[in-house]
Formats: sequence, structure tokens, C-alpha cells
Amino acid sequence: EADIYQTPRYLVIGTGKKITLECSQTMGHDKMYWYQQDPGMELHLIHYSYGVNSTEKGDLSSESTVSRIRTEHFPLTLESARPSHTSQYLCASSSGGAVNEQFFGPGTRLTVL
Amino acid sequence: AQSVTQPDIHITVSEGASLELRCNYSYGATPYLFWYVQSPGQGLQLLLKYFSGDTLVQGIKGFEAEFKRSQSSFNLRKPSVHWSDAAEYFCAVGGTGTASKLTFGTGTRLQVTL
Repeated sequence: EADIYQTPRYLVIGTGKKITLECSQTMGHDKMYWYQQDPGMELHLIHYSYGVNSTEKGDLSSESTVSRIRTEHFPLTLESARPSHTSQYLCASSSGGAVNEQFFGPGTRLTVL
Repeated sequence: AQSVTQPDIHITVSEGASLELRCNYSYGATPYLFWYVQSPGQGLQLLLKYFSGDTLVQGIKGFEAEFKRSQSSFNLRKPSVHWSDAAEYFCAVGGTGTASKLTFGTGTRLQVTL
């Protein structure tokens, strides 16, 4: 069983607030990812990281930012939340091997009022 | 660019009936293919994967998938569906390399009637 955790699971917040979504994994994986998923829709990659101090933007433009100071931790931050940020955010990780099998956390459902 | 097409947005089957979910991919080299399942409000769980070798792969929960290079397909099958199989199913394609990003299809929602 993969050990990847996301907190909070649900968050309802007002417009303009700063938020940080937490993601941690205990598998020692080098690669980590953030996806955005609207209800009934596909996953869109918004950020990824190859390892500590490495972050890249994904295929879908996002106003969020990420950091990777520790291998196990990959938080996502929104400086000023807006209703358009309402979505589900999924974190995933994979090992540094050649084949990219990703393990997913349970997700954070964010609602911005 | 790599892409995945899941032509069926929503499928309904009776419990005990067989199931086939379709997945077509586009990838410039030998693809790595995955099927994930997502229950409501949850993250994604890996059902099975294809990297190389035998084109028929077995996964968890009684699922299997067959890689057909000539058809660029990787369809998911189960001989007898259980009510607990109701969920969203995502096909994904990826490759090797530093980025090793996955591209997901739009998903197929499976409903199981009793």
C-alpha cells in the first residue's frame, strides 16, 4: 500500500485568502506531482518535481506555486484564492526509475467562496 | 505529443455481466500504459500496467487489459462485474525519461445495476 498523504481533505475558504495544500510521502520517491481535477473531468498536471530543489510547471497553467525542500514534502500554495480555483487537487509520487508508475494521495477538495 | 482517448464517458452494466472499457493512445515510441480506478472523493488506485512482454496483463480486483499495438489500444476487461466496481476509470500513457509524465484520458464512469 502506497503511503502518500494529503491535508486537508476538504477546505472551504473565502476569496483572497492564502492557502497551502500539504502533500507528504513516506516512500522516498524522488518524483512528485500535483494534478488538478474538476468533477467528472480528466486530470491535468499543474506542477512536478524531480527531486529536492527541483520544480517545474505542468501542462496546465496554474496560479499556484510549489516548493520541494525535503524529499518527502511537496506543498502547493495559492497566494490569493479565487472561485476559479475551486477544484480537486491530487498529489502523486513515483520512484526515480525508468518506468513511471505513480501513486496517488486521497486528494484535497477545495472550494473558494 | 502523447494523448489518450476514452470514447465512452458513461457505461452501465448489470452485476455479473462482463465489462470492457476502451482506451486508445497516441505515443511516438513504445508506450507505458496504465489503468487507474477512482472512487468518489478519493485518489486514484493503480489497477494494472503494461511495460513490455506479454500483451495481456493481469491486475487487481480481477481486471485484465490487452495491449494491441496495431490498434493503439489498451482495453480493460473484467469477466463478471461486482457492484463495488462502480467508479471512474482512467487510462494513462507515459514513457521513460527525466520527466516521465503521464497523460490521462477523460475517464469512463461505470455504473453497476443490481
